[in-house]
Amino acid sequence: NAGVTQTPKFRILKIGQSMTLQCTQDMNHNYMYWYRQDPGMGLKLIYYSVGAGITDKGEVPNGYNVSRSTTEDFPLRLELAAPSQTSVYFCASTLGVDTQYFGPGTRLTVL
Amino acid sequence: AQSVTQLGSHVSVSEGALVLLRCNYSSSVPPYLFWYVQYPNQGLQLLLKYTSAATLVKGINGFEAEFKKSETSFHLTKPSAHMSDAAEYFCAVRSAGNTPLVFGKGTRLSVIA
Repeated sequence: NAGVTQTPKFRILKIGQSMTLQCTQDMNHNYMYWYRQDPGMGLKLIYYSVGAGITDKGEVPNGYNVSRSTTEDFPLRLELAAPSQTSVYFCASTLGVDTQYFGPGTRLTVL
Repeated sequence: AQSVTQLGSHVSVSEGALVLLRCNYSSSVPPYLFWYVQYPNQGLQLLLKYTSAATLVKGINGFEAEFKKSETSFHLTKPSAHMSDAAEYFCAVRSAGNTPLVFGKGTRLSVIA
């Protein structure tokens, strides 16, 4: 199993541009999550999904959108990128209440 | 609502010394508790977890943590620090059920030779 994979690893965006961060898991996990990590702030939940077709907002959803059309994929969309969205983004997945498995992260800079 | 407080954003220990990273949680129901480690430029890796079985939990790399309900704590310890333990450590809590993990702000561990 590859586990949780994320693409791209790095990206630089200009203010106002849009992009999609890709996340795929091959463990048949029902739950998937998107977090952002900022220095000294820990991980903040952006969106999560409890299964295909079901998504819900986390703590910091503004400026982001998600979709979950399959069990495996959970892309995160940034519309109209802003400097405040400069961060490291982590995707994670879990089966029920068990351990969350994390991807390697996407480092995004908005200039 | 759940929350996690990690005391000390940065802890520095000498190689061979005891490692103690503190975590206190708030949860209205019996919690599931986790410690994750993050090495530079990597994702988070599970160290250990408490899921209402034994209160003393052993994890990878010689780490362990003890769940103390009366103190609402889940401190992480290791008897003897190694240079390779230098990393950031995150405590996380989930209430019983399928709610997402809530993370503390992290503690960066430095190990001095």
